[in-house]
Amino acid sequence: EAQVTQNPRYLITVTGKKLTVTCSQNMNHEYMSWYRQDPGLGLRQIYYSMNVEVTDKGDVPEGYKVSRKEKRNFPLILESPSPNQTSLYFCASIQTRGNTEAFFGQGTRLTVV
Amino acid sequence: QQQVKQSPQSLIVQKGGISIINCAYENTAFDYFPWYQQFPGKGPALLIAIRPDVSEKKEGRFTISFNKSAKQFSLHIMDSQPGDSATYFCAASMNNFNKFYFGSGTKLNVKP
Repeated sequence: EAQVTQNPRYLITVTGKKLTVTCSQNMNHEYMSWYRQDPGLGLRQIYYSMNVEVTDKGDVPEGYKVSRKEKRNFPLILESPSPNQTSLYFCASIQTRGNTEAFFGQGTRLTVV
Repeated sequence: QQQVKQSPQSLIVQKGGISIINCAYENTAFDYFPWYQQFPGKGPALLIAIRPDVSEKKEGRFTISFNKSAKQFSLHIMDSQPGDSATYFCAASMNNFNKFYFGSGTKLNVKP
């Protein structure tokens, strides 16, 4: 079954404590992306990756880092989280052969206090 | 500046009615326009998509209407059902798969 798996699903943390949200896909897609979802703003892209070791900033990259050491994994790193990073985060893996489609994970709800 | 503008923010429709959600864009380089459906606690999932070489695409009760000259596209849900209650996002992308620009979302509530 085609899957994008994010962990954890829920996370409450304190300001400044480094955290990582993991994302893994089993579809052998080259393109992956991170989004944050906030009320009234839809989904905004944080970072994307076109392949292993190839990443670039999206629209709201400040305060985030990513890495792509393997094709299946694309972790999102918050080095020093702040309350304005409280949000719902989605990882997406993008099918580009045949019909273009973004497959989303279940989401990670992050609260920074 | 939001690249894709979506309206309305919320929508209440009676069972059996037609739900219509509208989106507008500015960038004429966009060439792929998907609609995503999101249920509470889940990630968005592709519902239907269109490319600008056609003016309409229908899949079951879901239809996308596309007006290239007006730079607008809309989702029509015919015979709306309570199970259609979800948040709907329109999106647009260019031919490079790097980025999808999403609208702000429409929360649809279909009343029994």
